[in-house]
Amino acid sequence: LAKTTQPISMDSYEGQEVNITCSHNNIATNDYITWYQQFPSQGPRFIIQGYKTKVTNEVASLFIPADRKSSTLSLPRVSLSDTAVYYCLVGDKNTGFQKLVFGTGTRLLVSP
Amino acid sequence: DSGVTQTPKHLITATGQRVTLRCSPRSGDLSVYWYQQSLDQGLQFLIQYYNGEERAKGNILERFSAQQFPDLHSELNLSSLELGDSALYFCASSVVGDPEQFFGPGTRLTVL
Repeated sequence: LAKTTQPISMDSYEGQEVNITCSHNNIATNDYITWYQQFPSQGPRFIIQGYKTKVTNEVASLFIPADRKSSTLSLPRVSLSDTAVYYCLVGDKNTGFQKLVFGTGTRLLVSP
Repeated sequence: DSGVTQTPKHLITATGQRVTLRCSPRSGDLSVYWYQQSLDQGLQFLIQYYNGEERAKGNILERFSAQQFPDLHSELNLSSLELGDSALYFCASSVVGDPEQFFGPGTRLTVL
């Protein structure tokens, strides 16, 4: 399973764009990149998933360069409610994304 | 509301005891996953079941066991409890092959 590395914490202010980068140097060909969000004492919540280039949904964008050794989760115009821990994971689609490995995540603090 | 239910919400017990945590997946989801989240270990994958059969195993101790019943609900059994087993236990469910796992609200286990 590819290991991921993320910054431990990030600070931002309301209305700013936040970019959280994840490193996954040994990502395999069949691996997809998935991001989850977790609020205190709640289960993680799926945000976005991608394989290459750019993926966008109503919540975030995911940028993946051609070598796929890293990815960047972009949160546009964050609000206080975006304060949470964000996890980057890689998983093999061929195995049904079993055994998701959640790293330590990035703790995002959004201030007024 | 993810559609995944877990009971009980809180559980306080003593060392050496045995407890059972219950999870009901989202309607139609055949895959059920169990995770343990403690302060010092982060979110750890324990085990996955698919349609009643064990599909993948993570860092699950031999004192722990799980099963998935014909109605697709799952139970996680923890025995010979130790202080270090105190944690939040999450259940998640998903459609096979889909990277999005839906997490329940968790069961907070306190071992005294």
